[in-house]
Parts: sequence; structure tokens; C-alpha cells
Amino acid sequence: SYVLTQPPSVSVAPLQTARIPCGGNNIGSQSVHWYQQKPGQAPVLVISYDSDRPSGIPERFSGSNSGNTATLTISRVEAGDEADYYCQVWDSGSDHVVFGGGTKLTVL
Amino acid sequence: EVQLVESGGGVVRPGGSLRLSCVASGFTFDEHGMSWVRQAPGKGLEWVSGINGNGDSTGDADSLKGRFTISRDNAKNSLFLQINSLRVEDTALYYCARSPGQNLVDVFDYWGQGTLVTVSS
Repeated sequence: SYVLTQPPSVSVAPLQTARIPCGGNNIGSQSVHWYQQKPGQAPVLVISYDSDRPSGIPERFSGSNSGNTATLTISRVEAGDEADYYCQVWDSGSDHVVFGGGTKLTVL
Repeated sequence: EVQLVESGGGVVRPGGSLRLSCVASGFTFDEHGMSWVRQAPGKGLEWVSGINGNGDSTGDADSLKGRFTISRDNAKNSLFLQINSLRVEDTALYYCARSPGQNLVDVFDYWGQGTLVTVSS
């Protein structure tokens, strides 16, 4: 089955740029979606189809996808961005949804 | 406003069964694929099962096949998950999630707040 790999944690200082990678075999050929989950809350879609930002999501959030790595980029990080972030694809080979293990973003 | 409200969770003994429900509002229910996604305490997200808009196509995580059955009643704007032969490792918060289109699943644009299932003797 398809596997998505994320680092368990990423730390960044306020106002700096956070980059959260999501690795997968030839992931660049798939559409990647990203979710933000704050403690005690349901996940929220922040990036869809590699780089589309849903309504209401700040422009500071962006996404890219190429080769074996997709990346969620958060510019000018704020304390309120501290959360767990999950990448997700639809694996057409197995007709299954696959989530990455999640990355905890810590704002220093 | 899109709303997804789950119910049906609770404490159940190993080997027992539960039927989870999700009532949707604020959108045309049969125009959207729906899924159940679970999250064990302190763990990541795990897709459980999905169903397309008219209910004639479903998909399940391989590890859960045979014990979980997803269904929907479009007349009642409701999604269901029947869980049989519950195991301790099924303990999790179960989320109902919507996909933007009628396809089985692709991306989840709205989530409910979840219903907690605890399996314990």
C-alpha cells in the first residue's frame, strides 16, 4: 500500500517560514491535500490539490508537489499556526485514502 | 452553513457492535461523497470507509474489511457506520467528513466534531 512519510515535528520562530514535507513514491503524480488540526478540534483543510487554498485560509499557507516530495509552506508563522499538520492523497492503485503520520508544528 | 453532527459513540465491550450516525445539513447531501475517518487517542488520522453520493460505491481500509460497513440514507441526509466485533484497538474519535464532489472520496472539505468510541472490558 502507498505510504506517506512526514517528520514528527518541525519548529520555527515567529515570522519565519515553516516548511513541512510529505514524502511518497512519485507523489508528484498525485494530488496532495493538507489538513491543520489544533488540540481538541477537528481537522481543517488548508491546501487542496497540491496548491489550492480553500476560502478563508490565509495566503500565508501554500503548497507544492514535485518528484517524491510535497511541501506545505507557512510564511510569516504566527503562534496560532501551532498545530498538527497531515498530508493526504487518494491512492488510485488501491482506491484508498492515505494520510501521512502527521507533523507537529511548534512555534518557538 | 455546512454542518456534520455525529452520534452513536459510547463505551462497549470487546466483541460488541455499534452503529454510528452523521446527520448533514447546509448542502445537498446526495451530491457529495462521504467518509468516516478515525483518530485513536494521541495518534494520527486513519481513513475508515467512504461512499459515493448515490450510495452505490463504497471503499474500506484493507485492515478493517469485514467488520465495518458504511451506508447512507439520502432521504434523511444521514451517513452511517456499522461496526461489528469491536476490538480495543478500535477505540478512537470517529469523524464524519465530506468530499466536494459525488466521487467516492478524494479530499475532505468539511468535518464533523466526531463521536468517541471506547472499547473496554
